[in-house]
Amino acid sequence: KAGVTQTPRYLIKTRGQQVTLSCSPISGHRSVSWYQQTPGQGLQFLFEYFSETQRNKGNFPGRFSGRQFSNSRSEMNVSTLELGDSALYLCASSLAIRREETQYFGPGTRLLVL
Amino acid sequence: LAKTTQPISMDSYEGQEVNITCSHNNIATNDYITWYQQFPSQGPRFIIQGYKTKVTNEVASLFIPADRKSSTLSLPRVSLSDTAVYYCLVGDCYGNNRLAFGKGNQVVVIP
Repeated sequence: KAGVTQTPRYLIKTRGQQVTLSCSPISGHRSVSWYQQTPGQGLQFLFEYFSETQRNKGNFPGRFSGRQFSNSRSEMNVSTLELGDSALYLCASSLAIRREETQYFGPGTRLLVL
Repeated sequence: LAKTTQPISMDSYEGQEVNITCSHNNIATNDYITWYQQFPSQGPRFIIQGYKTKVTNEVASLFIPADRKSSTLSLPRVSLSDTAVYYCLVGDCYGNNRLAFGKGNQVVVIP
């Protein structure tokens, strides 16, 4: 079974631009979560989508948004990029049908904002 | 939402057993305890999960006391390739653990 895939793997943008990252979950997984990882802050939760609806949200500004499609694929968008948005963005998927929870992570998208 | 606390870093020699503790004082009845491993520039990888007592798989053991307010991940006979960041996470499938990854525990294995 194919794992979680994320595209693109690397991205360079300039301040003020916007960016869209894509995540394809493991087949059959209905939940997709997004995380931002930086050296100083560790892994920080952005939001989670389940059956095309945002189910949980972390403490990030409205510039960070996402969506999930009917095939469970998800995108996240960051508008008006700032230097501090440079990070590894990770996507994780899970079945989300039982109480015990295991997330499967993709390799991440490395975003550099200049 | 259960908050977890872990040591920031620890060193160990190759071949030793490494025990990594995690405190989660306000763990809820429905919460499970899950540990992940992360190498640089990769996504975290599931290691082991448990609810109570002891769980063992081919790579690690997880010890959970009766009060469930802490847990210990045990890695037997570590090798250099076990150098990674280890995250403890508590929650259930309804997304309540999503906020609590934190900074994890950097384990460095020394030859």
